[in-house]
Amino acid sequence: LAKTTQPISMDSYEGQEVNITCSHNNIATNDYITWYQQFPSQGPRFIIQGYKTKVTNEVASLFIPADRKSSTLSLPRVSLSDTAVYYCLVGDRNYQLIWGAGTKLIIKP
Amino acid sequence: NAGVTQTPKFQVLKTGQSMTLQCAQDMNHEYMSWYRQDPGMGLRLIHYSVGAGITDQGEVPNGYNVSRSTTEDFPLRLLSAAPSQTSVYFCASSYHRGGAKDTQYFGPGTRLTVL
Repeated sequence: LAKTTQPISMDSYEGQEVNITCSHNNIATNDYITWYQQFPSQGPRFIIQGYKTKVTNEVASLFIPADRKSSTLSLPRVSLSDTAVYYCLVGDRNYQLIWGAGTKLIIKP
Repeated sequence: NAGVTQTPKFQVLKTGQSMTLQCAQDMNHEYMSWYRQDPGMGLRLIHYSVGAGITDQGEVPNGYNVSRSTTEDFPLRLLSAAPSQTSVYFCASSYHRGGAKDTQYFGPGTRLTVL
């Protein structure tokens, strides 16, 4: 059974780099690992996804080691507006979606 | 495109009442799903559909019914509301059911309180 584990909460300061790691096992060998961001009173929204190694877009980077048993979301130079809950999402061999419990990130001035 | 829309935004029910939460998407997505999110907790899958006429149960289906008569609409019915169903409900859709690589698009949510 696929399972994910991520820290419940983290805090940091404006301008810092923040790394959030999700551990996942028994994920589908051909599926991607995806991260979502959720602000209060809104639905989650897609941030970034990858299969392995490193992926970067305009808002984040995603590091996935060769064994794909974890992934690390990296937010460069965070601001107060990055305060949100971040979820990792993986799929199991039956295409069932397995959501992490979410990491509440608080950015302080 | 409006994306995923949900109505109502807020609802208060009394125990035993029934109601339907509406969800619609205009992206021609095959896969649609319903989640509930309780305070401080993550997303739990209630029901999902891989296409019109096809639905299946998720992690927490008891007390809820769904149907999918069209590609666009996926209503969630509460048969007899209970206080334990107080939650925020999110509808989501994706192009198809391909696992985590298919981007999930979420609606704005319905905040339901059962007294």
